[in-house]
Amino acid sequence: DIQMTQSPSSLSASVGDRVTITCQASQDIRKYLNWYQQKPGKAPKLLIYDASKLETGVPSRFSGGGSGTEFTLTISNVQPEDIATYYCQQCHSMLLSFGGGTKVE
Amino acid sequence: QLQLQESGPGVVKPSETLSLTCSVSGVSIASSICYWAWVRQSPEKGLEWIGNIYYTGSTHYNPSLKGRVTISVDTSKHQFSLKLSSVTAADTGIYYCARLSLNYDAGSFSSLGWFDPWGQGALVTVSS
Repeated sequence: DIQMTQSPSSLSASVGDRVTITCQASQDIRKYLNWYQQKPGKAPKLLIYDASKLETGVPSRFSGGGSGTEFTLTISNVQPEDIATYYCQQCHSMLLSFGGGTKVE
Repeated sequence: QLQLQESGPGVVKPSETLSLTCSVSGVSIASSICYWAWVRQSPEKGLEWIGNIYYTGSTHYNPSLKGRVTISVDTSKHQFSLKLSSVTAADTGIYYCARLSLNYDAGSFSSLGWFDPWGQGALVTVSS
C-alpha cells in the first residue's frame, strides 16, 4: 500500500499570506496526485488533479507542483474563504489512499 | 449537472450490515470513462477509500476492510450501493459516494484518477 504523509498537520495564516502544504508518498507515484479542500460539514471538493492541473472554477491562487514522491499545494494571497482542511490523494495504485489532512486556520 | 445523493439508515447495530445507496443524476451511470466509488471519513481514520465499481460490475475494494465490503450497481435505477457486513463502532462515520475519474495517457487507460463530484455524505452510527 502507498502511504501519504502531509505536513504540517495544521497551520495558521493571515489574509494575503502565501502558504505551502507538502504531501509525501511512500513510493514513486509519478504525477498521480490530487488535492481536495474540505470545509466543515461539507464534502471534499476537488482543487487540483494530476499534481498541477487546476480544476475548472478553482481560483488561480491555488497551485500544485511536484512529481515522484514530493508534492506541494500552494495558496498565494490567502483569502478568508480558504479556511478549510486540505487533503492529498494518490491514484497511482489501484488501492487509493489519502493523506491525513492539513487544517488551515 | 452531475449530482450524487446517498441514502440509507443512520443507525446500524453492531454485527449487522450497513447498507447505503447512491443515486446518480445528470449523467449516465453506464459511463465508460469513470468508476463509481465509496469513501468514508471518521476522526480516527480520516478519509478512507472503501471501493469502486465500473458500470459492468467490475469492482476494486480496500483490503483493509477484510472482505466485508460489497459494492453493486443497478444501471436501470441509476444507482450503486454499498454493503458493509459485521460492523463495529469503528465503522461509524460519514459515508460519501463519488464519481472516480480515469487517467489516460496517449489515449490508453493509465490509472484511476480523482473523486469528483462527491455526494453530500451520510452519517452512519454503529450503536445498539
